[in-house]
Amino acid sequence: AQSVTQLDSQVPVFEEAPVELRCNYSSSVSVYLFWYVQYPNQGLQLLLKYLSGSTLVKGINGFEAEFNKSQTSFHLRKPSVHISDTAEYFCAVTSNDYKLSFGAGTTVTVRA
Amino acid sequence: DAGVTQSPTHLIKTRGQQVTLRCSPKSGHDTVSWYQQALGQGPQFIFQYYEEEERQRGNFPDRFSGHQFPNYSSELNVNALWLGDSALYLCASSFRSRAYEQYFGPGTRLTVT
Repeated sequence: AQSVTQLDSQVPVFEEAPVELRCNYSSSVSVYLFWYVQYPNQGLQLLLKYLSGSTLVKGINGFEAEFNKSQTSFHLRKPSVHISDTAEYFCAVTSNDYKLSFGAGTTVTVRA
Repeated sequence: DAGVTQSPTHLIKTRGQQVTLRCSPKSGHDTVSWYQQALGQGPQFIFQYYEEEERQRGNFPDRFSGHQFPNYSSELNVNALWLGDSALYLCASSFRSRAYEQYFGPGTRLTVT
C-alpha cells in the first residue's frame, strides 16, 4: 500500500511570489505521482503527473514538480502565483493497483 | 468533448435511508472509480469498476455498493446512511490501459441529517 504526506496544511503567499508545496510518499513498489487542484465547490483537476522518465515534469498553469526517488518526494512549484491560484492542492500516488491515495491537502491562499 | 458528469449535484438524506449517485465517464473512458471526500480531507478510494465488475475496493463497508452499465456509466449506492457518510462523492474515469491517470467529475455533495 502507498501513502502520501503533505507537509504543509496551509500556505499563504503574495501575488507574483514563488510557491512550493511539499509532498512525501511511501511505497515499496514503483509509483505514479500526481498533483491535483480543487477550487471551491468543484471536483479535482489534474495539474501534472509523473509516470516515468524525466524527473522534472511540467503541468498546466505554469506549475512544475520534481520527482526525487531517494527522498521519496514530489514537490510542486510555481515561480510566480496569481490570485486565481488560490485553491486546495492534493498530492496523490498509485501503483499497479490503480487506487489513488491522496494526501490531506494544502490550502494555498494568494494575497495581493 | 464532455468531461466526467455526475448527478445530482447536491442531495440531503435522513439517517437510515438509501441513496444512489450517478456518473457518466469522459468520452472514450471505460473505467470508473469512486472516492469519498470528507470535509477538510483528501479523497478516499471506495472502489473501481471495469467491464461491469468491481475490480478494486478500498476500506469501505458493504453498505457501499456499485454498478457499471454497458455504456460504462456507473452508480454508487449507499444503504443505511450514517451521519458520517456526509461528504463529497467524486467519480473519476480513465482508460483501462492507463487506469492510473484518472479524470474527476464535479462531485455530488451528500448531507445526511
